[in-house]
Amino acid sequence: QKEVEQDPGPLSVPEGAIVSLNCTYSNSAFQYFMWYRQYSRKGPELLMYTYSSGNKEDGRFTAQVDKSSKYISLFIRDSQPSDSATYLCAMRAKAAGNKLTFGGGTRVLVKP
Amino acid sequence: NAGVTQTPKFQVLKTGQSMTLQCAQDMNHEYMSWYRQDPGMGLRLIHYSVGAGITDQGEVPNGYNVSRSTTEDFPLRLLSAAPSQTSVYFCASTGTGIPGTDTQYFGPGTRLTVL
Repeated sequence: QKEVEQDPGPLSVPEGAIVSLNCTYSNSAFQYFMWYRQYSRKGPELLMYTYSSGNKEDGRFTAQVDKSSKYISLFIRDSQPSDSATYLCAMRAKAAGNKLTFGGGTRVLVKP
Repeated sequence: NAGVTQTPKFQVLKTGQSMTLQCAQDMNHEYMSWYRQDPGMGLRLIHYSVGAGITDQGEVPNGYNVSRSTTEDFPLRLLSAAPSQTSVYFCASTGTGIPGTDTQYFGPGTRLTVL
């Protein structure tokens, strides 16, 4: 079983809808949680970064972490066609330095 | 400020050939890493370096070598290419410091096919 599980999708939504993405994990030592966005044939870029449990909002993006359930989520409000990409969750333990463990990624398609 | 650069963008090798994937960053970051990305597998860490002269293995190191003689460069060497090494390879660098600011910056990737 993978340490970080993520539904590969694809997730297809109409423009303006809310996109809901999530990851589950098994390692209770993970304390830092990230979401990366990756456009086709490009490198991933950091979208959201949260520490421990709680919510973080940045514009149309909201990241949630529930450490008790080992579950993280990313919500994209008012989705745009430009949000079409693969979204990867990543996480790391405090003692792991900068070593990240990634989920497999969810492909999102926002249709105009 | 070019960020993280990788060369080549594409490469086709025959089984048994060797090659070096180049990675360079101009952000004076200490931490650099190499990942491979395969469909449905996410990014898997191959090797990483916490500074010049210091390297360590990641999750999938077999068949790859690295060295770090300068802060800027972190090349990845395939010793004897195998079809299982067909993948997209990403180099990343990270600035160390206060948690929440240690963003990993990824290069554009190298698409490698081994026949």
